[in-house]
Amino acid sequence: EPEVTQTPSHQVTQMGQEVILRCVPISNHLYFYWYRQILGQKVEFLVSFYNNEISEKSEIFDDQFSVERPDGSNFTLKIRSTKLEDSAMYFCASRVRTAYEQYFGPGTRLTVT
Amino acid sequence: AQKVTQAQTEISVVEKEDVTLDCVYETRDTTYYLFWYKQPPSGELVFLIRRNSFDEQNEISGRYSWNFQKSTSSFNFTITASQVVDSAVYFCALSDSQTGANNLFFGTGTRLTVIP
Repeated sequence: EPEVTQTPSHQVTQMGQEVILRCVPISNHLYFYWYRQILGQKVEFLVSFYNNEISEKSEIFDDQFSVERPDGSNFTLKIRSTKLEDSAMYFCASRVRTAYEQYFGPGTRLTVT
Repeated sequence: AQKVTQAQTEISVVEKEDVTLDCVYETRDTTYYLFWYKQPPSGELVFLIRRNSFDEQNEISGRYSWNFQKSTSSFNFTITASQVVDSAVYFCALSDSQTGANNLFFGTGTRLTVIP
């Protein structure tokens, strides 16, 4: 069964460093998303991406964040200068055009020290 | 604005008991979608069900059932004869036209512990 994959599973970085989180959505999906979950809290929307551009972004998704689909399979989230409060689990999700359920990857745990 | 309320923060039941997880939502839209996701201890988010606002039929899938009531803006989830493997955090989520790409707006989750 096709699934969303994410790498790495865990990333530790120092404050101020740039990180890139990678995702491979399900191959026939057209909408891509990033969400984050701070430990013990709810899942929060960051950004959605369709047709090679951002569809929507939340207030969390400030200028420090960017997304890219560099080729036909990868979907990346970049944080330019990480802060302590960026420590969270980051989930990638994708869906087809005609159905609204999103399928999530296993997540990348980002720890900023 | 959208809002999803899961008032039950934590629930513990003994194995084989039935348990209902509550979800109350708010939206200005007439067309919207409701979801339940399971987050087991391993951390991934597993899609369980989607419900469209125009389809109020309740659904049963094995030990799982969902009760959607527009009149009370609720979308409750019942697990019958609970098992230890049901132990997880369960999230209710909403998607409507206020979110252009139909991103999901999650509740705070209910942690279910099934005691053997």
